[in-house]
Amino acid sequence: QSALTQPPSASGSPGQSVTISCTGTSSDVGGYNFVSWYQQHPGKAPKLMIYEVSKRPSGVPDRFSGSKSGNTASLTVSGLQAEDEADYYCSSFAPNNNYVFGIGTKVTVL
Amino acid sequence: EVQLVESGGGLVQPGGSLRLSCAATGFTFSTYWMTWLRQAPGKGLEWVANIKGDGGERYYVGSVEGRFTISRDNAKNSVYLQLNSLRAEDTALYFCASHVNWAFDYWGQGVLVTVSS
Repeated sequence: QSALTQPPSASGSPGQSVTISCTGTSSDVGGYNFVSWYQQHPGKAPKLMIYEVSKRPSGVPDRFSGSKSGNTASLTVSGLQAEDEADYYCSSFAPNNNYVFGIGTKVTVL
Repeated sequence: EVQLVESGGGLVQPGGSLRLSCAATGFTFSTYWMTWLRQAPGKGLEWVANIKGDGGERYYVGSVEGRFTISRDNAKNSVYLQLNSLRAEDTALYFCASHVNWAFDYWGQGVLVTVSS
């Protein structure tokens, strides 16, 4: 199972929006509505931000939203804040009850 | 409050073995799938294995199949990962995580495994 494709970096100014794409195949992202997104600050454990494509866990700001079209999922962070600067990873359920991750996107708040 | 605390990491020679443990508190452990994931130094996340609440189903990423074994003891609220035939490419920070709705909702802080001669 190959890693999902994410842009290595993305950036935006405070208050702006940034969207990160996550491209897989019809066997993973396109085949299931089981895409999740994780935020990881340096030296910290990842934090779940979005599950089942577009659902937010309790406590995650509504500035974070997820969507999917075909084999590509997206995470949008609206109203960028300094604390949003982190690495973001997508993940998808995959065949044989496996899970595959994206390579990660470093978001910089300018 | 949910807490996951990993232990058991360290330096091991190629071909060696380690057993990682993860102690869970703050939720009904026996009803949750649990997962091990890893992150090589400076690299991205990789799902390694998961196990159903009753231990009746287990799945592994292909690169560790036959070498790693996931298990759990619901009486001790703990999940384990036995790592055998270790290779340099298994060097990573290993995280345990609870697993619900096809996502990993709570994570431990991780335990470092270094495979080197």
